Amino acid sequence: DIVLTQAPLSVSVTPGESASISCRSSKSLLSSKGITSLYWYLQKPGKSPQLLIYRMSNLASGVPDRFSGSGSETDFTLKISKVETEDVGVYYCAQFLEYPYTFGAGTKLELK
Amino acid sequence: QVTLKESGPGILQPSQTLSLTCTFSGFSLSTYGMGVGWIRQPSGKGLEWLANIWWDDDKYYNPSLKNRLTISKDTSNNQAFLKITNVDTADTATYYCARIRITPFDYWGQGVMVTVSS
Repeated sequence: DIVLTQAPLSVSVTPGESASISCRSSKSLLSSKGITSLYWYLQKPGKSPQLLIYRMSNLASGVPDRFSGSGSETDFTLKISKVETEDVGVYYCAQFLEYPYTFGAGTKLELK
Repeated sequence: QVTLKESGPGILQPSQTLSLTCTFSGFSLSTYGMGVGWIRQPSGKGLEWLANIWWDDDKYYNPSLKNRLTISKDTSNNQAFLKITNVDTADTATYYCARIRITPFDYWGQGVMVTVSS
């Protein structure tokens, strides 16, 4: 199985500042079609996960452009610029390159 | 407007079979490229993918649950189902269904809590 390792496990950010979350994959997530199958989700407290970023760097519909995704074949970063109170929750990376689909352990973002 | 809603028994005893239903609207599982997946989350823990079913009835399962999973669909009634046999306390979790289109899990249900307890 592909293992996704997120860091840090928790981060505390002052509103208006930026935050970065890392996700490292045990295997390249670049498909033969040239697609990097790495996704980011946010689970707000008491809610279902919501899609933020698809295919490493594409913003999902309705997601503020304060969020951005980048990376290589195995190392990925979610950046949130100018963190707002609504950004609080747990961020998960996920890979859908191959079965079984796997998720990172999650990174909890809190406000200072 | 895409919506999904899970339903289940709430509580069941060890060794019983868990039956979950995902009722959705705003898309059809008979449409080329469409799929539905099931994901679960024990309280306070992370996400675990369980199974996918596709428009062409192709099915994929998480091998960590060995042969305990069965996924199916009723296209006419816009429903997908998941059965987990021989449950134990480790299966206590919130179970989500989510749509797969070009992007996996772009829409999620609200989740249904399932408790396995004697």
